[in-house]
Amino acid sequence: DAGVTQTPRHEVAEKGQTIILKCEPVSGHNDLFWYRQTKIQGLELLSYFRSKSLMEDGGAFKDRFKAEMLNSSFSTLKIQPTEPKDSAVYLCASSPGGAETLYFGSGTRLTVL
Amino acid sequence: GDSVTQTEGLVTLTEGLPVMLNCTYQTIYSNPFLFWYVQHLNESPRLLLKSFTDNKRTEHQGFHATLHKSSSSFHLQKSSAQLSDSALYYCALTSGYKVVFGSGTRLLVSP
Repeated sequence: DAGVTQTPRHEVAEKGQTIILKCEPVSGHNDLFWYRQTKIQGLELLSYFRSKSLMEDGGAFKDRFKAEMLNSSFSTLKIQPTEPKDSAVYLCASSPGGAETLYFGSGTRLTVL
Repeated sequence: GDSVTQTEGLVTLTEGLPVMLNCTYQTIYSNPFLFWYVQHLNESPRLLLKSFTDNKRTEHQGFHATLHKSSSSFHLQKSSAQLSDSALYYCALTSGYKVVFGSGTRLLVSP
């Protein structure tokens, strides 16, 4: 079975650019999560979808971060405009739903210059 | 709101010594699920073990944890640390639909 697929693995952007990160969840999973991971802050929730409906949008990340779930097998995270402080690893995870295990993708390492 | 507390940011051990990583949680939900995820260097977090049964020991890959609802704890233990256990460990809580992660504990095992 294919796991969670994230592309690209690495992204370098200039300050002010728009970038789009992509995620394909495990087939059949109902829940999809976007996290940002840094050494200082750890895992921070950006967005959470259940059956394609946005359940949580991560509060502090609303203004420049927008996640969408175009269909049950594809999600994007848009950061617009990027800032150097956005440099981090962005992780996508999916879950069958309920209180089930999260399965993480390999992540996208974003560097904003 | 729900929260998970991991009090140690870094734990350093010598190989062969026992491991204990602390995890306590707060939730109003009466039936929380507790998880430990492990993240090795340059990898993504993956499930280590999970539990929702009060006072029942859960084991996997030499690690074990017991959910104690009376003390809201789910500490991770191992009898003898190995070099390969060096990693970042996250405790997580699922209550209803919410998933809450702790801040993580980095375990460094040295020879």
